[in-house]
Amino acid sequence: DAGVIQSPRHEVTEMGQEVTLRCKPISGHDYLFWYRQTMMRGLELLIYFNNNVPIDDSGMPEDRFSAKMPNASFSTLKIQPSEPRDSAVYFCASRYKRGRSTGELFFGEGSRLTVL
Amino acid sequence: DAKTTQPNSMESNEEEPVHLPCNHSTISGTDYIHWYRQLPSQGPEYVIHGLTSNVNNRMASLAIAEDRKSSTLILHRATLRDAAVYYCILRDNQGGKLIFGQGTELSVKP
Repeated sequence: DAGVIQSPRHEVTEMGQEVTLRCKPISGHDYLFWYRQTMMRGLELLIYFNNNVPIDDSGMPEDRFSAKMPNASFSTLKIQPSEPRDSAVYFCASRYKRGRSTGELFFGEGSRLTVL
Repeated sequence: DAKTTQPNSMESNEEEPVHLPCNHSTISGTDYIHWYRQLPSQGPEYVIHGLTSNVNNRMASLAIAEDRKSSTLILHRATLRDAAVYYCILRDNQGGKLIFGQGTELSVKP
């Protein structure tokens, strides 16, 4: 299996521009998570989906952020308009629900966003 | 979500055992203890998890205190490739999200 695939790996944009980050989870996984990582705040959970339905978006910073999962094999995280403080590494992760005790989380390699 | 407390950093020598501690005094009866690690410039990766009994796998061992208020991740022989940030996480008992803390940055000296 190719693992969780994220694109782009690196994005440099100017303040005010729209940014779209993409994620392809591992086939068969029914949970998908978006995390953001910065030096100051560490790894923060932004939102997660179960069977393509958003379950908890309490970590989404503000209305400028939105996430969708139109089907089981694709998700997007959009920032519009982007600001310099959004600069971070954004990780997508997925897992298969095998029960409450298991379900290893598999992470992608991340998308490094720089907003100038 | 129940919290965990870990030392910010630890050092080890190559080929020696490493014991990474984690305190979780507010753990509930159904919380599982998970460990992940993040190598430089990579996403986190799963290491091990457990509920009450000690657990072993090819990567590490997990020792859980009898009262479950603390646990220790054991790397039996540290290698340079084990240098990473190690996160101890209590899994939400509804089986959903994982909330990462600050973790322990492990450095391994040759």
